[in-house]
Amino acid sequence: DIQMTQSPSSLSASIGDRVTITCQASQDVRWYLNWYQQKPGKAPKLLIHGAITLEPGVPSRFCGTGSGTDFTFTISSLQPEDVATYYCQHYIELPLTFGGGTKVEIK
Amino acid sequence: QVQLRESGPGLVEPSQTLSLTCTVSGDSISSGAFWWSWIRQSPEKGLEWIAYIYYNGRSACNSSLKSRCTISVDPSNNQFSLRLTSVTAADTAIYYCARRFGSGANTDWFDFWGQGTLVTVSS
Repeated sequence: DIQMTQSPSSLSASIGDRVTITCQASQDVRWYLNWYQQKPGKAPKLLIHGAITLEPGVPSRFCGTGSGTDFTFTISSLQPEDVATYYCQHYIELPLTFGGGTKVEIK
Repeated sequence: QVQLRESGPGLVEPSQTLSLTCTVSGDSISSGAFWWSWIRQSPEKGLEWIAYIYYNGRSACNSSLKSRCTISVDPSNNQFSLRLTSVTAADTAIYYCARRFGSGANTDWFDFWGQGTLVTVSS
């Protein structure tokens, strides 16, 4: 199975800060990488698929980059409603696997 | 708007079978436009993809679950179901049903999710 490693596991930042999360795959997943946002008590919400493609309605402050084994998820200007845990997920082969999550809080 | 709703027992005894059903509204499983999936989440294992199924019964289960996993579909009732046999405490989790975007290869992202249902394995 492909292992997805996210870092950091948690972070605290101020409103308006740029926030960056990384996701590393244990082998090449090309651009087959998704990002989800999960707020407490809710199901995950798809933000980005194909490493870079923003879902309709998702604010443009969210951005994904990368390919191969190294990916980055960025919030360009952190907002209060962005408090959540963020997960990456590959889909190059079965089984699909997720990263361990990055919890984002407001400082 | 597509909605998914999980239903089933919240408590299952060890060694018994976990059975859950997902009812879909706002979309038709029999359209063949999407696959339908189960995903679970626990503090120990995080998010874990379990299985998905197409309207015609074509399916795939996570190999880590070996032969314990069975997924089925009932297009006439717009439902799909999960059975997990020989459960242990390690199967305690929130179980989500979700829609897998698209029907083609390499479209494995989940764009609509149910609210989730907590299943506890305990005697």
